Amino acid sequence: QVQLVESGGGVVQPGGSLRLSCTASESTFSSYGMHWVRQAPGKGLEWVAFIHYDGSKKNYADSVKGRFTISRDNSDYTLFLQMNSLRTEDTAVYYCATSGDFWREYDFDIWGQGTMVTISS
Amino acid sequence: QSALTQPASVSGSPGQSITLSCTGTSSDVGGYNYVSWYQIYPGKVPKLIIYDVNKWPSGISNRFSGSKSDNTASLTISGLQAEDEADYYCCSYAGLSTWVFGGGTKVTVL
Repeated sequence: QVQLVESGGGVVQPGGSLRLSCTASESTFSSYGMHWVRQAPGKGLEWVAFIHYDGSKKNYADSVKGRFTISRDNSDYTLFLQMNSLRTEDTAVYYCATSGDFWREYDFDIWGQGTMVTISS
Repeated sequence: QSALTQPASVSGSPGQSITLSCTGTSSDVGGYNYVSWYQIYPGKVPKLIIYDVNKWPSGISNRFSGSKSDNTASLTISGLQAEDEADYYCCSYAGLSTWVFGGGTKVTVL
């Protein structure tokens, strides 16, 4: 099954920007809807964003709408999350995730290992 | 996009059955049969244990079972084992390509 590896996390000041990447191990990536999910330190999971397998549909959690943009490059097996106007409350481990099944779009069966984003002055 | 409501903690003795609840609204849990459950050990990546309310991903024990009634979904763990001690999160599709998680339940095996 496809494997996912996130990168791009780091420490950024409030108001700054960061771009996360999630690279898949095989071409089946282009058949799957993809998500970003985050978990703040000591907190629960929060769904962040979704993109359809062909990029035709996208949506975001209210907490990030207008600041974050999800995109994908199927030729490169890569998912992106552009994060602008970052706030301290965006500090979290960010995971990319997918059902790993073209016929299932509503769950997250395959997860990356996560990348830590810290927003601090 | 309000978080689904889960009890903060549930405990049980080995061999017992416990049930975790996950309450939403008619816009999420009650409106779709797309509730999933995740098990998380400290410092580890979430693991899918139930999808589409009551289906098992490959390799998941049938000691875990899911159900739904109106706006509340439930996860039952039968024959509780020490290895079941973890955090559990429910998640529901909420329409228009959005999803919502619950706040999580910490399961303690006494």
